Amino acid sequence: EAGVAQSPRYKIIEKRQSVAFWCNPISGHATLYWYQQILGQGPKLLIQFQNNGVVDDSQLPKDRFSAERLKGVDSTLKIQPAKLEDSAVYLCASSLYQQETQYFGPGTRLLVL
Amino acid sequence: AQSVTQPDIHITVSEGASLELRCNYSYGATPYLFWYVQSPGQGLQLLLKYFSGDTLVQGIKGFEAEFKRSQSSFNLRKPSVHWSDAAEYFCAVAGNTNAGKSTFGDGTTLTVKP
Repeated sequence: EAGVAQSPRYKIIEKRQSVAFWCNPISGHATLYWYQQILGQGPKLLIQFQNNGVVDDSQLPKDRFSAERLKGVDSTLKIQPAKLEDSAVYLCASSLYQQETQYFGPGTRLLVL
Repeated sequence: AQSVTQPDIHITVSEGASLELRCNYSYGATPYLFWYVQSPGQGLQLLLKYFSGDTLVQGIKGFEAEFKRSQSSFNLRKPSVHWSDAAEYFCAVAGNTNAGKSTFGDGTTLTVKP
């Protein structure tokens, strides 16, 4: 069974530029999560989707971050414009349903200069 | 609001020795509790979880954890550590209204001495 796929794996941008990350969850998984993991900290949930609807986005900085999950499968997370403090690893996870085990992708490491 | 504290940033143990990683949580009702492991260059992997029932939970790779409501703790244990257990370990808590919304601690890095 294929795991959660993420791309790109690494990205370096200048501050104020925009960037997008892509996630392909495990086939059949209804719930998809985006986390931000800053160096030395645990992952922080940014947004949670159930199929193509948002369940929780209370910690998403909506002035600069946006995410969508069209058709309830793949998802993209966008940052526009990026700030230095956005440097982090962005993790995507999926689960069959909300209470089921979350499976994490390898992450996208973002460096904002 | 839910929160997790992992008091030990870094722990070093000898191979074959026992291990205990501490986790304290804050949540107003019965929590859902998790332990994850993150190896360098790899994604997070679930070791075990507690939702209800028996307070001693068995996980993968020989790990276990015990939920102690009176102490608001969910410590992870392993009787004999292997060199391959060197990694970062995260404790997380979620509520029963949204078991998917996990709050993670800042992790404990485990070093295993030969």
